[in-house]
Amino acid sequence: GAVVSQHPSWVICKSGTSVKIECRSLDFQATTMFWYRQFPKQSLMLMATSNEGSKATYEQGVEKDKFLINHASLTLSTLTVTSAHPEDSSFYICSARDPENSNQPQHFGDGTRLSIL
Amino acid sequence: GQNIDQPTEMTATEGAIVQINCTYQTSGFNGLFWYQQHAGEAPTFLSYNVLDGLEEKGRFSSFLSRSKGYSYLLLKELQMKDSASYLCAVRAKDGGATNKLIFGTGTLLAVQP
Repeated sequence: GAVVSQHPSWVICKSGTSVKIECRSLDFQATTMFWYRQFPKQSLMLMATSNEGSKATYEQGVEKDKFLINHASLTLSTLTVTSAHPEDSSFYICSARDPENSNQPQHFGDGTRLSIL
Repeated sequence: GQNIDQPTEMTATEGAIVQINCTYQTSGFNGLFWYQQHAGEAPTFLSYNVLDGLEEKGRFSSFLSRSKGYSYLLLKELQMKDSASYLCAVRAKDGGATNKLIFGTGTLLAVQP
């Protein structure tokens, strides 16, 4: 069964709307979660590393004021796309790894397809 | 910097064997992963290599040479359902304690009858 749950699966909304995406680890506590974005026919691009209880670490070129990340508990990280515009339309995926099993792979959520009209 | 290269597309025949190569240049190497991704879905884990050599798991095998910065994924007895994107990903330390997973461009494999 899924060990990382992501919600919602689909979002369609108007330009200017802020959208929140949730990522939960179900079977373990994740001090670190990762947020990726994937455009059609392209690979996953790491956006930021979400750290429980501290600020997220953003990759170069990712606007931290545009993509707000909150990791308030050991099982939940949220990504908020603020004032979304059509160019933000993409497939957003989170992942987490059980820190007690360092050699295990990251587990991915099912992704959120965001469409901004 | 981090750089991971894979062929963009490959085509193979059902029942055959295909090898998907991945070369990488990263700092703080801490393991290499292969994932399969069908269109519109999240990636699913296939294999993991951290030491040199071959790891076999059923129809899938993965090889790693750290000195050459090279890996390949070998798929045997290809089935139509193997048509998907195959992503090479390197886990690298970013100078701190966090291990980031950096993905290659992905290889779109088309299996033909």
